[in-house]
Amino acid sequence: AQRVTQPEKLLSVFKGAPVELKCNYSYSGSPELFWYVQYSRQRLQLLLRHISRESIKGFTADLNKGETSFHLKKPFAQEEDSAMYYCALSGRFGAGTRLTVKP
Amino acid sequence: DAGVTQSPTHLIKTRGQHVTLRCSPISGHKSVSWYQQVLGQGPQFIFQYYEKEERGRGNFPDRFSARQFPNYSSELNVNALLLGDSALYLCASRNPGRSYEQYFGPGTRLTVT
Repeated sequence: AQRVTQPEKLLSVFKGAPVELKCNYSYSGSPELFWYVQYSRQRLQLLLRHISRESIKGFTADLNKGETSFHLKKPFAQEEDSAMYYCALSGRFGAGTRLTVKP
Repeated sequence: DAGVTQSPTHLIKTRGQHVTLRCSPISGHKSVSWYQQVLGQGPQFIFQYYEKEERGRGNFPDRFSARQFPNYSSELNVNALLLGDSALYLCASRNPGRSYEQYFGPGTRLTVT
C-alpha cells in the first residue's frame, strides 16, 4: 500500500538557518514524489517534483530509494517560506508540516 | 485560464441532507481528483476520474459519489451528511500525459450542523 509519512507537524527555524522537512514513503514500485506548498489564504500548489531534480525558491529534494525518503531542504530559510508543506506520493498526501520562519 | 475552479465557496448543511460540489478543471486537463481535508490533516483522496470513468477510489463510504462530464468538469455528491463530513473539499486536475503533478482549486468549505 502507498503511504506517506511526515513525522513533524510543526517546524520552527530562524531566518537564515537551514531547514529540512522530512518525508518518508512506502511503495513497492517506482515512486513519483512531489512537494506541495500552501501559503496563508492561498490554494495548494506544486513546489517540486522528484523527476525534475530542480530547485524552486531555493528548495531542493532528493529521492533516496534506499531510505525511502524525499526530504525537502533549503540552506537559508526566509520569512516568506512560512507555510504548510505536503509531501505526496502520486495522489496520496502526507499529513503536512507547518514551517514557521522567525525573524 | 483561471485555473481549477470550484463552486460553491462555502456551504452549510444539516445532518441527513445531501450536497453537490462542482469543479471545472484547467483547460486541456482530462483527469479530476477529489480530496477531503479536515483541519490539521493532509488532503485525503476520495476519487479520481479520467475520461469520464472512475479510475481510483479512496477509503470513503458509499455515501460519497462523483461523476465527470463530457467537458471534463466534475461533481462530488455526498448523501446523508454527518457532522464528520465537515471539511474543505478540494478538486485537482492534471494532464495524465505529464506525470502526476496536480493543480488544485480553492476548495469548498462544507459545514454540517
